[in-house]
Amino acid sequence: DAGVTQSPTHLIKTRGQQVTLRCSPKSGHDTVSWYQQALGQGPQFIFQYYEEEERQRGNFPDRFSGHQFPNYSSELNVNALLLGDSALYLCASSLAPSGTPEQYFGPGTRLTVT
Amino acid sequence: DQQVKQNSPSLSVQEGRISILNCDYTNSMFDYFLWYKKYPAEGPTFLISISSIKDKNEDGRFTVFLNKSAKHLSLHIVPSQPGDSAVYFCAASAHNNNDMRFGAGTRLTVKP
Repeated sequence: DAGVTQSPTHLIKTRGQQVTLRCSPKSGHDTVSWYQQALGQGPQFIFQYYEEEERQRGNFPDRFSGHQFPNYSSELNVNALLLGDSALYLCASSLAPSGTPEQYFGPGTRLTVT
Repeated sequence: DQQVKQNSPSLSVQEGRISILNCDYTNSMFDYFLWYKKYPAEGPTFLISISSIKDKNEDGRFTVFLNKSAKHLSLHIVPSQPGDSAVYFCAASAHNNNDMRFGAGTRLTVKP
């Protein structure tokens, strides 16, 4: 049973560039959430996708956008990268609707913006 | 705004002893609380959760206690094992709200 997978593992970009991160949810899951984890902090909710639509969004600018495909996999796009976007980006999947909000996380993509 | 706080960045305990990790929250709308464990180079792994209708939930060596009046929850690990050494995150969510809020984490070290 495949868990949540993310690609790439590491990425180095320059300020102003654009980046796309990818996530495949755990088998059987249909909901994908994205989180940003800065160094020394807990994960911060970016947005959640369900049925190929953004279901809810956290306090992140429009430079952060996403997409969910019919096979439930998802992409996170960040435009006009800033130094402050350097972080670990985590994808989490779950099954909706579910009685409890447990989410299963992938290993993350480490993004460094120089 | 930091709605979920873990005020101890680190905790060190001896193998076999009890580990107690604490978490405070400010949002009274939170009705579900979770603990995640994170090893280096891995994503957070779900450990245990508790609904606001309960004050205790136990799963093997792990017990979570919830004090709603104090807006405080704690995770007890007993007996602690070296393999429990990891960063532990407290998280909270409100009904019908998918924005799960995490604390900054507590690094637990269990010494043999």
